Amino acid sequence: EDQVTQSPEALRLQEGESSSLNCSYTVSGLRGLFWYRQDPGKGPEFLFTLYSAGEEKEKERLKATLTKKESFLHITAPKPEDSATYLCAVQGTGTASKLTFGTGTRLQVTL
Amino acid sequence: DAGVTQSPTHLIKTRGQQVTLRCSPKSGHDTVSWYQQALGQGPQFIFQYYEEEERQRGNFPDRFSGHQFPNYSSELNVNALLLGDSALYLCASRAVRGGGSSYEQYFGPGTRLTVT
Repeated sequence: EDQVTQSPEALRLQEGESSSLNCSYTVSGLRGLFWYRQDPGKGPEFLFTLYSAGEEKEKERLKATLTKKESFLHITAPKPEDSATYLCAVQGTGTASKLTFGTGTRLQVTL
Repeated sequence: DAGVTQSPTHLIKTRGQQVTLRCSPKSGHDTVSWYQQALGQGPQFIFQYYEEEERQRGNFPDRFSGHQFPNYSSELNVNALLLGDSALYLCASRAVRGGGSSYEQYFGPGTRLTVT
């Protein structure tokens, strides 16, 4: 069964203090690894899809990387508006659309 | 470009009642999946609909059922509600036909269901 573990559970950063979030996964054949941002009480907002080890994608202050066992979401010089829960999910090759999610990392960025 | 929409936003039901939640996929998408998200947890896959048929199902009892209409919109029905069914219910859509190699799924804002 596909599994996703995210760490840390919570992270508090000062504005401008860069850091990384970790997503470890086990899946029998990776179709894709997905990162989402979720604000309280709202639906997840799509950020990135990574399909193969070595792939990297960037969007503003965020950069996602992928290895065969884990993915990192690097946040460079974060701002308070980056505060949210970041969710990682995997889809295996044996599934049509099922995403298996981790429990997320709650990020708080303070002034 | 209309994103995924869901209705209602919030719902309060009593144990034993039945509930229907609705979802309209993002424009150009033909596949809808439903997820349940308990507080502090990641979303859990309920099932997926494509071409008006349930294609894949997660570990949820038969009390959870669904439907997809010819216009690709979808409903989630939950019978005999339990207190444990209280959660945020999310709908996600993607394009199978014409989607190429993209497996990206986009989520709606969710329906907050409270069972008392």
